[in-house]
Amino acid sequence: AQSVTQLGSHVSVSEGALVLLRCNYSSSVPPYLFWYVQYPNQGLQLLLKYTTGATLVKGINGFEAEFKKSETSFHLTKPSAHMSDAAEYFCAVSASGGYQKVTFGTGTKLQVIP
Amino acid sequence: DSGVTQTPKHLITATGQRVTLRCSPRSGDLSVYWYQQSLDQGLQFLIQYYNGEERAKGNILERFSAQQFPDLHSELNLSSLELGDSALYFCASSEGQGVANEKLFFGSGTQLSVL
Repeated sequence: AQSVTQLGSHVSVSEGALVLLRCNYSSSVPPYLFWYVQYPNQGLQLLLKYTTGATLVKGINGFEAEFKKSETSFHLTKPSAHMSDAAEYFCAVSASGGYQKVTFGTGTKLQVIP
Repeated sequence: DSGVTQTPKHLITATGQRVTLRCSPRSGDLSVYWYQQSLDQGLQFLIQYYNGEERAKGNILERFSAQQFPDLHSELNLSSLELGDSALYFCASSEGQGVANEKLFFGSGTQLSVL
């Protein structure tokens, strides 16, 4: 079984400040980890994913996430927030080696304050 | 634009009724997935089809059913609707059979309101 916990359903940052969205996972097998973003009135879009190899993963729009096995974490960061980053972000996990059954977290809404 | 088309965008109906949600995947994608997004449950995986065959099943109620047609579009049928079925229903597609690291492409969803 696998699960994802996103800490903080709402996060507010000032424009230009660091964005940090937290995600912890649980998986009985090596996981694949994802971050998706949902803009208002749109479907989810993949930001980045970790499968194997380098633990620091770079995604679109300047976001990156680091897989830390010892901490079972996959936090999403961006050095400087833009107004356009305001959206809901979902962390997700799937079990490596199997068919697609992606488990999503409950989401974190990011507000960017001008 | 993800290339995944869902219709209708909004659906308002009454308890006890039956509705059909439609999804056209991205051109060339063989797998279709259905998700339910609600405030209290988050994003829940319902079911996946690959090339017309059911591939994986999640938390889908018996009142719900889905199918994927030869042209690869999919329909999600919801019957005996209850107030708690009100949610945003997403369709997603992927290229292959749905191995764990495949990228999902999501439609913009169908907002179902059961009154």
